[in-house]
Amino acid sequence: DTGVSQDPRHKITKRGQNVTFRCDPISEHNRLYWYRQTLGQGPEFLTYFQNEAQLEKSRLLSDRFSAERPKGSFSTLEIQRTEQGDSAMYLCASSFYGTGFNEQFFGPGTRLTVL
Amino acid sequence: AQTVTQSQPEMSVQEAETVTLSCTYDTSESDYYLFWYKQPPSRQMILVIRQEAYKQQNATENRFSVNFQKAAKSFSLKISDSQLGDAAMYFCAYRSPFQGAQKLVFGQGTRLTINP
Repeated sequence: DTGVSQDPRHKITKRGQNVTFRCDPISEHNRLYWYRQTLGQGPEFLTYFQNEAQLEKSRLLSDRFSAERPKGSFSTLEIQRTEQGDSAMYLCASSFYGTGFNEQFFGPGTRLTVL
Repeated sequence: AQTVTQSQPEMSVQEAETVTLSCTYDTSESDYYLFWYKQPPSRQMILVIRQEAYKQQNATENRFSVNFQKAAKSFSLKISDSQLGDAAMYFCAYRSPFQGAQKLVFGQGTRLTINP
């Protein structure tokens, strides 16, 4: 399968713990996006990378959140000192930004539950 | 900032019938893209159909078509000959074509149920 993959698919943690999610984009894609989807809502943009550079961060991304994309390949999203309000589905998407349409392809998401 | 509104939290349709999902949006831009995404239960979101705002012709993809009313800022999705596999959450989304993140702005979603 050459689509976007995310790991883990589900994560249950206790409030105050740190968690890290991983996203592996489609191999030739130079852009990688993170979105957050809470229950009953549509996804909301968090941040994106072009290659290894993080070019924009949403105001939703508090200082407890950090994202990296070393070497412009996979990306990690870390949440420190988790809160119950962080419970959500975290979606990753990748795209090729260039001469084409820049269609975003989504991964299956990581569902985070903070107890 | 752009906003997208889907006023139908849930819709249901009989198999083989036609259903229309509604979406309205707000923007000050004259050029943009609009999308409908499908999110099946426990599966990843996939693009169903897209519309470029500068195109007057409504987009179609097999059984899926849109009714794009630019002046009214309305973008509805029509699914013809509904099939059981069409059951999913459907999200309307907006994207600016300009430089920058080109991030997607989503509506709240409509849950579509297909009755056999």
